This record gives sequence, C-alpha cells and structure tokens, in this order.
Amino acid sequence: EAGVTQFPSHSVIEKGQTVTLRCDPISGHDNLYWYRRVMGKEIKFLLHFVKESKQDESGMPNNRFLAERTGGTYSTLKVQPAELEDSGVYFCASSQARYVGYEQYFGPGTRLTVT
Amino acid sequence: GIQVEQSPPDLILQEGANSTLRCNFSDSVNNLQWFHQNPWGQLINLFYIPSGTKQNGRLSATTVATERYSLLYISSSQTTDSGVYFCAVERRYGGSQGNLIFGKGTKLSVKP
Repeated sequence: EAGVTQFPSHSVIEKGQTVTLRCDPISGHDNLYWYRRVMGKEIKFLLHFVKESKQDESGMPNNRFLAERTGGTYSTLKVQPAELEDSGVYFCASSQARYVGYEQYFGPGTRLTVT
Repeated sequence: GIQVEQSPPDLILQEGANSTLRCNFSDSVNNLQWFHQNPWGQLINLFYIPSGTKQNGRLSATTVATERYSLLYISSSQTTDSGVYFCAVERRYGGSQGNLIFGKGTKLSVKP
C-alpha cells in the first residue's frame, strides 16, 4: 500500500510568485490534513478535509492560502502571492476513519523556500 | 486550548547511550503520536499510542493517559537517530477535533 505522497519535494520561488503543493493521501482515506513547520517552530495545523469538504480551516494563516480537494482524492494547497514568512516545510497527512482518534499518516513534506 | 510540552528541548548523546524523552499534555486526548523529523525535514511516524506501551526495535513508548504524559525511550542510540522528535495529540473535547497539536520537539544529536 502506497503511503501519503507529496509533490514537489522542494520548491524555491521568489516573493510574490505563486506555488501549488500537491498531496495524494493513502487510497481510501477520507480525512486529509495540511500542516506546516515554519522558521524552526512547532508544526501547526492548517486545515482538515473530510472527502471534498473542508471540515476545519481554522489554522489557515490568511487568504493568500487556498486549499482544494476536488473529488475527494488528492488535494492542492496554493500560496498566492508567496511571502518570505511562508518558507518552511508543508506536510500532508491522511487518516481512514469517519471518527476522531485514528492514526494520521504523514507524507514526506514539501520544503518551500521563498527568496 | 490543550498544551503539549516536551522535555528536554535539546539532548546530546554519545553513540550507544540510552535516552528518555517526555511529553506532557494538559487535557484528555483521543490520539497521541510520536514522530521523528530527520535532517532532510521528513516526518517519520514512530508510534500511534493513545495509551499503553509499544515497542519497535530500539524504540519504545509508553502513554499514561490518566496522568497525561507519554515517554519515548531510545536504546543504544545511533547517529541516524539524530533529528527532532515530536509528540502530537488530538484533543478529546472542544472544537477542532481531528487535528493534531504538536509540541515544540526535542532536538537529539547523537555523536559518534
């Protein structure tokens, strides 16, 4: 069974440009989460999809970030326009169950560098 | 909201030594997971352990949910164990259930 995959593994862009990160969850997992670790700080929750619906987006920092999960499969996270403080590692995770309390499986992350 | 505190923040070991990392949390949880972030930034699942004890090779973990703490044991440490170890919990009550709340991590350096 394939794990959570993320693309690209590393992205370097200039301030003001747009970047789109992609996450493919484990097949059959309805729950998909985005997290990020910036500036060596702790890892923070961004948002949670249940299938194609946004269950919780309380962690999204501002309206420069847009997440989608069309068809309830893969998800994209777009940053437009990117700022220097957006640099960090963006993680995607998925879990299978409808109910809370189940293990989340994390992808390898996308390292975003904004110059 | 729930607080997750990890200790120590930094740890330097000689190869072959044993260590214990601690995670305290301030409220009841549905889920607790331990992760290792390697030097390349990848986050590796170590344990899903909301309660009880688990072992995987040189690593083991124990969570005492009633006392709101978890311990990660590393035995016979190797240089490849270096990196940051994170504890993360999912709160049982209140809003935003489902998402994990991470501690600040323990940075482990294993010297050859």
